[in-house]
Amino acid sequence: DIQLTQSPSFLSASVGDRVTITCRASQGISTYLAWYQQKPGKAPKLLIHTASTLQSGVPSRFSGSGSGTEFTLTISSLQPDDFATYCCQQLISYPRTFGGGTKVEIK
Amino acid sequence: EVQLVESGGGLVQPGGSLRLSCVASGFSFSSQWMSWVRQAPGKGLEWVANIKKDGSESHYADYVKGRFAISRDNAKNSLYLQMNSLRAEDTAVYYCARDYITSFGVPNDYWGQGTLVTVSS
Repeated sequence: DIQLTQSPSFLSASVGDRVTITCRASQGISTYLAWYQQKPGKAPKLLIHTASTLQSGVPSRFSGSGSGTEFTLTISSLQPDDFATYCCQQLISYPRTFGGGTKVEIK
Repeated sequence: EVQLVESGGGLVQPGGSLRLSCVASGFSFSSQWMSWVRQAPGKGLEWVANIKKDGSESHYADYVKGRFAISRDNAKNSLYLQMNSLRAEDTAVYYCARDYITSFGVPNDYWGQGTLVTVSS
């Protein structure tokens, strides 16, 4: 199975900060990667697919980049609604594994 | 509006069985692959299984293979997960999710609210 390692696992930031989360794959996955946002008690929300394509309706302050084994999710200016947990998922092979998640909290 | 509504969760003893259901609306259910994804309390997401549009093909994670069975009834716009030989480590919120086909993989673009399965004696 392909393992995804996210860093950091926890991040404390302020409104307006630029935030970057990294997802590393145990083997190359081209751009077969998605990012999700999840708030407590809620279902995940698809933010980005194909490593860098913003899902419809997602604010442009979110962006994704990378290919192969290293990927990043960037929030250009953190907003109050963005405090949540973010996780990556590889889509190149079964099982479609997820990263462990990065919790973004208010500083 | 796309809606996915799960049901069937609850408390079950180790070794027991449970059947989860997910009713879909707001899209052509028979045209979409569908998935189950779970999340143990306080833990990350874990992909469980998915099934092709017509039910002719399915895939499972190793940790549920042979114990869980995914199925669907397109006439009822419904997805199911039959869970047998349940273990404590199967305790989780189970989400039904729609597969979304892109050029590079198939993420899940719509998710239900989840149903909690607790395996305990």
